[in-house]
Amino acid sequence: DIVMTQSPDSLAVSLGERATINCRSSQSVLYSSNNKNYLAWYQQKPGQPPKLLIYWSSTRESGVPGRFSGSGSGTDFTLTISSLQAEDVAVYYCQQYYSAPYTFGQGTKLEIK
Amino acid sequence: QITLKESGPTLVKPTQTLTLTCTFSGFSLTTSREGVGWIRQPPGKALEWLALIYWDDDKRYSPSLKSRLTITKDTSTPQVVLTMTNMDPVDTATYYCAHRIYGDDAKSFDYWGQGIQVTVSS
Repeated sequence: DIVMTQSPDSLAVSLGERATINCRSSQSVLYSSNNKNYLAWYQQKPGQPPKLLIYWSSTRESGVPGRFSGSGSGTDFTLTISSLQAEDVAVYYCQQYYSAPYTFGQGTKLEIK
Repeated sequence: QITLKESGPTLVKPTQTLTLTCTFSGFSLTTSREGVGWIRQPPGKALEWLALIYWDDDKRYSPSLKSRLTITKDTSTPQVVLTMTNMDPVDTATYYCAHRIYGDDAKSFDYWGQGIQVTVSS
């Protein structure tokens, strides 16, 4: 199984400031035939299902605000929120969909400082 | 517009078999590349992928739970059913079904149901 490890476990950022969440996979999720990383980021607010934010490590899902961006390749990835808004308070998960089982990270709780 | 909704019992006893149904619309599991997966989340914990079924009846299971899980599809209804045998209190969780496309351009799970909370207790 590919193990996904996020850091930090929790994060407090001031409104308007940058938030950065890291994710590391125990093996590469880069598919060499198409040069795509099979890494997704989800946002989950209390009482709601996860919402897909980013796929292929850096492609924003339709409707996701431009302040959300993803980067990285191979085994190291980052989700960045450029200017934190109150509605961004949530738990964020990375997930690899390179190979089954399609494992998730343990989650990062993002709060307002 | 793709929608999914989970249904089933919210309380099961230890050792019983759980049967959950995902009823969906906006796509068909007779269409090439379409798939539906199940993911669960114990209270206050992380997401755990369980199983996935594709249009061609290709099935994938979490290795740690494979012996207890069965995923099937009914294209006429349309529904996807997940059964989990020998339930234990540690299986208490919210269970989600979600849509996924097969192939190199897959996004992973792009549409999710609202989830169903299942408690295992005697």
